Amino acid sequence: GESVGLHLPTLSVQEGDNSIINCAYSNSASDYFIWYKQESGKGPQFIIDIRSNMDKRQGQRVTVLLNKTVKHLSLQIAATQPGDSAVYFCAENRPGGADGLTFGKGTHLIIQP
Amino acid sequence: GAGVSQSPSNKVTEKGKDVELRCDPISGHTALYWYRQSLGQGLEFLIYFQGNSAPDKSGLPSDRFSAERTGGSVSTLTIQRTQQEDSAVYLCASSSQQGRMGNEQFFGPGTRLTVL
Repeated sequence: GESVGLHLPTLSVQEGDNSIINCAYSNSASDYFIWYKQESGKGPQFIIDIRSNMDKRQGQRVTVLLNKTVKHLSLQIAATQPGDSAVYFCAENRPGGADGLTFGKGTHLIIQP
Repeated sequence: GAGVSQSPSNKVTEKGKDVELRCDPISGHTALYWYRQSLGQGLEFLIYFQGNSAPDKSGLPSDRFSAERTGGSVSTLTIQRTQQEDSAVYLCASSSQQGRMGNEQFFGPGTRLTVL
């Protein structure tokens, strides 16, 4: 069935390195995408979003890339810090569907000291 | 300012009992959402409210699940005759408008439900 998913369940990077978290989606009609960060015991926290009419958006230390041709979304985190350790979820908004977001299963990012 | 709050933070119940979970959205947010997160999984959309009405209830997993929202603010999610597979973290989110196209959803800390 159609879903939003992630390529890797766990990603380990050295502190200070850049990290890239990937997400594949299958609904080409999805028009809005969000990356959330979830720390243990907390609710998801918005990181950055992107609309389908864009292919790149930058925030503070984070960049989201959208490739609609291959239905791929990525989150780049520059100069990772210990506080970046968390589970990262991509989510899509599908037109015509319920107004809740469809989430992928998440990638656990581990920052090694 | 205050964020989304949920109560209780943890709930342990016996199979067959009813439970009520509460969500207080951010003041002024018209849209409210309920999600369920099973251990190690992503979030599963359950239901959303625009004001007091719920245009789409298709995400509710069974007729044991119901939700209401009164006064355009607080919402309660009720699970009747709980089953062990209902064990999960139930997350509530709110946004200032209908949740699409740039309207960020703000999440509460969740209620961890354990059904014994």
